[in-house]
Amino acid sequence: GENVEQHPSTLSVQEGDSAVIKCTYSDSASNYFPWYKQELGKGPQLIIDIRSNVGEKKDQRIAVTLNKTAKHFSLHITETQPEDSAVYFCAAPMNRDDKIIFGKGTRLHILP
Amino acid sequence: NAGVMQNPRHLVRRRGQEARLRCSPMKGHSHVYWYRQLPEEGLKFMVYLQKENIIDESGMPKERFSAEFPKEGPSILRIQQVVRGDSAAYFCASSPGRNQPQHFGDGTRLSIL
Repeated sequence: GENVEQHPSTLSVQEGDSAVIKCTYSDSASNYFPWYKQELGKGPQLIIDIRSNVGEKKDQRIAVTLNKTAKHFSLHITETQPEDSAVYFCAAPMNRDDKIIFGKGTRLHILP
Repeated sequence: NAGVMQNPRHLVRRRGQEARLRCSPMKGHSHVYWYRQLPEEGLKFMVYLQKENIIDESGMPKERFSAEFPKEGPSILRIQQVVRGDSAAYFCASSPGRNQPQHFGDGTRLSIL
């Protein structure tokens, strides 16, 4: 069935180090992969997305990579800062429509 | 340019009452999506609407739940005869078109006594 797997569920990283969150998806027709950041009491905020016609996209300290053959995509945050602490969700559309399936989330802790 | 606006932010209802959650999409967005989030979990798709049309309601329970997005005014998610299990955060997102980035509101936290 439709599924997006996200790992790890929790990640602690020393401030200044890099964080990597990985997702896999099941629908080979998926062609758009957004990443969201959710802070306590807030709604998910779109931080970066990638379409299937590229393998990598970067925006300052955030990058996303996509391997369509393996159906993997990853979020990379470099030079982490305290304000990066939040829950991060990957997502992928299913069945060629706008029904987006979310991963279960990764709680990222940036340690001082 | 205001983002997606949801109200109320918090809603308390007793079992058996009705809950109405409102969502005003971003200016220029005609596509609205509702999601439900339980504590420590991801978001579960409920329904996708365009103006005056339900496009996909495959994630919405068949009974007690309904959604609309009228020509004028906000989108409404309505839950009739609420039960304890309906307690959750309900998020609305909007986009300018199909397969376009979805932007979320800050949600309505529904508590059932």
